[in-house]
Amino acid sequence: KNQVEQSPQSLIILEGKNCTLQCNYTVSPFSNLRWYKQDTGRGPVSLTIMTFSENTKSNGRYTATLDADTKQSSLHITASQLSDSASYICVVSETGTASKLTFGTGTRLQVTL
Amino acid sequence: GAVVSQHPSRVICKSGTSVKIECRSLDFQATTMFWYRQFPKQSLMLMATSNEGSKATYEQGVEKDKFLINHASLTLSTLTVTSAHPEDSSFYICSARVSEWSPLHFGNGTRLTVT
Repeated sequence: KNQVEQSPQSLIILEGKNCTLQCNYTVSPFSNLRWYKQDTGRGPVSLTIMTFSENTKSNGRYTATLDADTKQSSLHITASQLSDSASYICVVSETGTASKLTFGTGTRLQVTL
Repeated sequence: GAVVSQHPSRVICKSGTSVKIECRSLDFQATTMFWYRQFPKQSLMLMATSNEGSKATYEQGVEKDKFLINHASLTLSTLTVTSAHPEDSSFYICSARVSEWSPLHFGNGTRLTVT
């Protein structure tokens, strides 16, 4: 069964600090992996999308990495801001016309003063 | 950027009534739309995948007769919760994309409360 596991489940950090969120998956055959940010009561917003051949992709203060061999991805947030407080969701897609998506359970990040 | 509009953002209905939620892609043609349900402090749970012009594919455990999905055009999909019960109260979100390789664009969700 395809699974996407994220850790930690929740995280509290001080403003200005860095943090790294983890995503491990068993989805096969792998197509791509996406990280989303979801503010409370809103729909998720795409941060990055990575394919099999990509190791690193950045979007401002967000940097995602992908190790397709170990089936692991990370999302690193640099110099965190209060507005980074949200849930971060890892979504892995299977290849093929069905393109089934498997969602991670998310990491709830809280940035405090 | 691509925008997905979901309406209404909040709805309160009485038990036994039906509620329709709309999901529109405003500036792109969405060949595939997805519907999710999200409980507090949990991640999104995929309910069904809808391809324009064909019947929706429902995830295991989701009642297709209760959650009616229509994707009649490339810019509009609707989810109708029929004979709603209090346990149907949840946050419903749609997403849309052009193709397998294009990003998913999410609506802002609909908070459904059934009294």
